Parts: sequence; structure tokens; C-alpha cells
Amino acid sequence: GAVVSQHPSWVICKSGTSVKIECRSLDFQATTMFWYRQFPKQSLMLMATSNEGSKATYEQGVEKDKFLINHASLTLSTLTVTSAHPEDSSFYICSASNRGSAHNEQFFGPGTRLTVL
Amino acid sequence: KQEVTQIPAALSVPEGENLVLNCSFTDSAIYNLQWFRQDPGKGLTSLLLIQSSQREQTSGRLNASLDKSSGRSTLYIAASQPGDSATYLCAVLSNDYKLSFGAGTTVTVRA
Repeated sequence: GAVVSQHPSWVICKSGTSVKIECRSLDFQATTMFWYRQFPKQSLMLMATSNEGSKATYEQGVEKDKFLINHASLTLSTLTVTSAHPEDSSFYICSASNRGSAHNEQFFGPGTRLTVL
Repeated sequence: KQEVTQIPAALSVPEGENLVLNCSFTDSAIYNLQWFRQDPGKGLTSLLLIQSSQREQTSGRLNASLDKSSGRSTLYIAASQPGDSATYLCAVLSNDYKLSFGAGTTVTVRA
């Protein structure tokens, strides 16, 4: 099956710093990548959708200036949490999809645990 | 906006019992429905994907049904094992290619 990796798997940072999370599709070209956030004991909430080479589309209530998304190639998308605060502590999961595939299935990365002190 | 509900929120059964997990969604205009497993602190493992034109999918001890018109799906896990303990998430892919997730059912299988 298709493999998606995320790096780092966990990160601890001080309040006010910026953190970059990478999402890579290892064995397929991802025309679309998605970023989700999951708070403890809650389900995944879609933050934004990014298509390769174009600007990301953010869900309502997600600040695009705080969560910068770049999808510069068909195998890499990055999420930068700028000026992170403790309330940004969460589990961030990306997924990748090739819209030309038969099922439009999203393949998920293993997630990144962000803790902001 | 698509709303996905999973019942029950938690389930505890003795080993060997069959598990029945329910998922309902409000908008029947879907592309597909997927069941995932999530272990504590981990990412998602895809279990089964049912296209909107299909009624069910099977993989080993797992069987998932889909009734699109009534907005329901059920995941059956036969002969449960302690290793089946996890949170099971239902997700619906709408025609705008966005996945909407339920809150999950946390399953505990007692040895």
C-alpha cells in the first residue's frame, strides 16, 4: 500500500517559537495533501487541504497566518505552526491522495505530537 | 455540513465475543466510507474502504456494511481478541473530497 511519513514524530518547543512538520508520500505522487488536528479523546478535524503548486484551502476557524502550509512538490507538504502557544499542543496528522486514483483514498501519516511549553 | 456519529462511544467485551460498531452520517451524497483503527498515541490504520456503490467489504474477521440511503455503516469484528483493543474511527468522504470523521468507539477486549 501507499506509504506516508511524517517528521518529526514528536516535538517539544517553547511558547512563541515556530515548528515545522513535514509530510512525505514515499511511493506515490500526492496531488492533494490534507492536514488534520486531533485533541485528546477527540476525533480528527480537517485543518486545510493543499494541492501541489497552489495555495492551501483552510477550513473555517483555522488561521492561515498561524498554520502555514506549503505543498511545493508532489511528494512533500509542510505545516509550520508559527508563534506556537500551549493551546496549539495537539496531535497533527497528514494524509495524501492521488486524485487520479480509482478510489480517491487518503493515506495517512503516523502523526506528530506537538507539545508547547 | 457532513456530521458523523459513532455509537457506542466505548465498548468492553470478553475475549471471543463478536463486536458491532455503528456509524451514521447525515448527508448521503458520499464518495466512500472508511473504517480506521487508532491505537493510543498513534496514527491511523485503514481497515476497510467501501465505495458508495458497494454494500459491504470483508477482510479476515472484519466485515463492514454500508446503507447509503439511510446513512449508516456497521463494522463487525468476529471472535474478538485482546489485540483488537483500540479506538475505531469511521470516516466519510464527501463529494468535495473532504473526509469527515466520527468521534470513534473505544473498544476493550478482556482476556
